[in-house]
Amino acid sequence: DTGVSQDPRHKITKRGQNVTFRCDPISEHNRLYWYRQTLGQGPEFLTYFQNEAQLEKSRLLSDRFSAERPKGSFSTLEIQRTEQGDSAMYLCASSLGRGVNTEAFFGQGTRLTVV
Amino acid sequence: DQQVKQNSPSLSVQEGRISILNCDYTNSMFDYFLWYKKYPAEGPTFLISISSIKDKNEDGRFTVFLNKSAKHLSLHIVPSQPGDSAVYFCAASPNTNAGKSTFGDGTTLTVKP
Repeated sequence: DTGVSQDPRHKITKRGQNVTFRCDPISEHNRLYWYRQTLGQGPEFLTYFQNEAQLEKSRLLSDRFSAERPKGSFSTLEIQRTEQGDSAMYLCASSLGRGVNTEAFFGQGTRLTVV
Repeated sequence: DQQVKQNSPSLSVQEGRISILNCDYTNSMFDYFLWYKKYPAEGPTFLISISSIKDKNEDGRFTVFLNKSAKHLSLHIVPSQPGDSAVYFCAASPNTNAGKSTFGDGTTLTVKP
């Protein structure tokens, strides 16, 4: 399967714990995005990388959230001291970013439940 | 302030008829628009897009219309098929980074056999 891969698919954690999600983009895509989606709403942009550089972060991304893409390939999203409000679907997407408009290819997401 | 709005949470049509999904936006800086389709337990998948320099783009059964003056776009599906039943998201981006989009809240389309 050469699509965007996310791991784990589901995560249940206790409030206050740290969690980390992984995303493997389509191999030739140099742009990688993280979105968050809550029930009944559309995906909300969190952050994006071009290669290993994190170029933009949404104000939705509090200090408890950190994302990395160390070698310009896979990415991780870490949430520290989780809160119940962090419960959501976390979507990763990737795209070609060479000066032309290309759509993003999404993974299946990681569903986080904070109890 | 929601910059991309899909005012119809749901739409039901008969197989073979036309489905029309609507989307309004408020940010004049948006110049590229996309429609994504989402099935349960899957991520959104790209369907069709349109640049602001066009007013129509067609791909098979799917056509997107853009009315810049009204800040309105619509997706037409003709003929509708039961397999089209899904949540449809309208998305907009301001520049050549279409992966960084502002999404609407989606319209759930049900196509009845």
